[in-house]
Amino acid sequence: DAKTTQPTSMDCAEGRAANLPCNHSTISGNEYVYWYRQIHSQGPQYIIHGLKNNETNEMASLIITEDRKSSTLILPHATLRDTAVYYCIVPPRLTSNTGKLIFGQGTTLQVKP
Amino acid sequence: DTGVSQNPRHKITKRGQNVTFRCDPISEHNRLYWYRQTLGQGPEFLTYFQNEAQLEKSRLLSDRFSAERPKGSFSTLEIQRTEQGDSAMYLCASSLAESFNEQFFGPGTRLTVL
Repeated sequence: DAKTTQPTSMDCAEGRAANLPCNHSTISGNEYVYWYRQIHSQGPQYIIHGLKNNETNEMASLIITEDRKSSTLILPHATLRDTAVYYCIVPPRLTSNTGKLIFGQGTTLQVKP
Repeated sequence: DTGVSQNPRHKITKRGQNVTFRCDPISEHNRLYWYRQTLGQGPEFLTYFQNEAQLEKSRLLSDRFSAERPKGSFSTLEIQRTEQGDSAMYLCASSLAESFNEQFFGPGTRLTVL
């Protein structure tokens, strides 16, 4: 798997944009970047994924650098409910991919009033 | 609610006892996954099914662990002769085969082994 590196923790003011970085310098050309989050005492929740183009959905935006070695998840207007651990995952692109997600330590985002 | 459900939500047991957890996936999802999460760590993959076939098991899944998905719908995870080190949150997820990395997780079963 492409190894990912994320900061351990970040703070964000409520209503401001939260920008969560992830480094994946060993990513292969056909591997996607996935983001999940886990709110306390809940199971992880899929947020978004991308290959090389920027992606946006109702939850967040994903910006992937041109060399694909890093990405940033953007929550445009963070709320207290966005306080969670955010995981950046790069699953391997194997012909018999299991869907085995490898979660690292993630980034604990604390949104403050 | 048509999400992934898990039962029980909490289980406290004594060392040496057997426990069984159940997972009901989203009905049209043919893939089902089990993960384990200990305090302060991200979830760790245990095993997965495509329909009723168990296709991969992690080395974390010792011979005391067994998982089944008999009719390709719900799944059970049994732990025999529980040990204190088995204390963890056990998470179930499901997905469509064609979008296997977009997994929908249940709330988990928290196991405490005394």
